[in-house]
Amino acid sequence: AQSVTQLGSHVSVSEGALVLLRCNYSSSVPPYLFWYVQYPNQGLQLLLKYTSAATLVKGINGFEAEFKKSETSFHLTKPSAHMSDAAEYFCAVSEFGNEKLTFGTGTRLTIIP
Amino acid sequence: EPEVTQTPSHQVTQMGQEVILRCVPISNHLYFYWYRQILGQKVEFLVSFYNNEISEKSEIFDDQFSVERPDGSNFTLKIRSTKLEDSAMYFCASSESRGLNSPLHFGNGTRLTVT
Repeated sequence: AQSVTQLGSHVSVSEGALVLLRCNYSSSVPPYLFWYVQYPNQGLQLLLKYTSAATLVKGINGFEAEFKKSETSFHLTKPSAHMSDAAEYFCAVSEFGNEKLTFGTGTRLTIIP
Repeated sequence: EPEVTQTPSHQVTQMGQEVILRCVPISNHLYFYWYRQILGQKVEFLVSFYNNEISEKSEIFDDQFSVERPDGSNFTLKIRSTKLEDSAMYFCASSESRGLNSPLHFGNGTRLTVT
């Protein structure tokens, strides 16, 4: 069975500071991993995905994530936070490609001016 | 950019009533999905739908739930007899294919409140 754990339901960082959102996964087969972002009153938008092609994945809006098999982690980072990054971020795993994603509980990112 | 649209944005219903949540997927997409998020909990997969039939469903998707594509554009989720625990945000999604190069496009969700 697949699952993800997101450490920290709320993260606050200062504008310009490093953003680090943590995600650990569990999967019985090599997983596909995703990060989604949800802005207020909007649907989930794909930030980036890991499909085993490269361990460091670059996404939209300057975000990237690194797949570390030894740590079963897929943490999301951005070198310099912007006010517009304030949103809820969800990590997800799938053993079936695009179908049947299993999401984490989400991390609400707040940017401090 | 084309988007998935869901109506209504908020639905309030009494326990035991039937509700239908509506979604219009992106027009050239062939795969359709419903997910839900109970307040404060994870986003959970409910069902996937392709070629006019369910291709995958979770254990949550019991006999109270059904999906339908009644015409060429709408994709609906019906809950036959709502329970308090059905209160959640329901997200519709669609994709061109199952492949990883075809990302899921989510709608803004319908907040269902069962009283």
